[in-house]
Amino acid sequence: AQSVAQPEDQVNVAEGNPLTVKCTYSVSGNPYLFWYVQYPNRGLQFLLKYITGDNLVKGSYGFEAEFNKSQTSFHLKKPSALVSDSALYFCAVRDYGQNFVFGPGTRLSVLP
Amino acid sequence: DGGITQSPKYLFRKEGQNVTLSCEQNLNHDAMYWYRQDPGQGLRLIYYSQIVNDFQKGDIAEGYSVSREKKESFPLTVTSAQKNPTAFYLCASSMGVWPQHFGDGTRLSIL
Repeated sequence: AQSVAQPEDQVNVAEGNPLTVKCTYSVSGNPYLFWYVQYPNRGLQFLLKYITGDNLVKGSYGFEAEFNKSQTSFHLKKPSALVSDSALYFCAVRDYGQNFVFGPGTRLSVLP
Repeated sequence: DGGITQSPKYLFRKEGQNVTLSCEQNLNHDAMYWYRQDPGQGLRLIYYSQIVNDFQKGDIAEGYSVSREKKESFPLTVTSAQKNPTAFYLCASSMGVWPQHFGDGTRLSIL
């Protein structure tokens, strides 16, 4: 069965510093991986995906993620954090039946 | 603009009452999903539908029911059998390998 782990409940980073939100996954076959962001009382917004191809995936709002097959990881990164990046971030993996399995979420706080 | 509309944004349920949450999409997506989100927790799948007139139970289907009579619509009924219905409910849709699109949720509370 597919599973997703986000080992950190909370990540704090100073504005202007680089940020990393970690994600590891377990899936049979080739993974389809996604990152979403959620602001308070809103739905999830898609940030980026890995289906195939380059291991470094670029997405919305300056975010990128690095797919590492050997470590089964898909960490979300941004070179310079903004206060407005403060939100809840979810990693997800999709199985062949079109169902998505979400991680528990990581709350990112960017401090001014 | 294409998207997913959930209504109402806030809903209150009395004891013993069934309530229905609406989800409509104009993205022409085949698959639709209902998730429950509790504070500090991730998303748990309630029901999903990959095609009209067909749906499958997710991980926490007990106390919920759905229908999929039209491609655009996937309403969720929270029945009186669901003893702890207070949560944030999210509807999503998807097509093929592409990411899910989400509505802005319905927050259900108990009176």
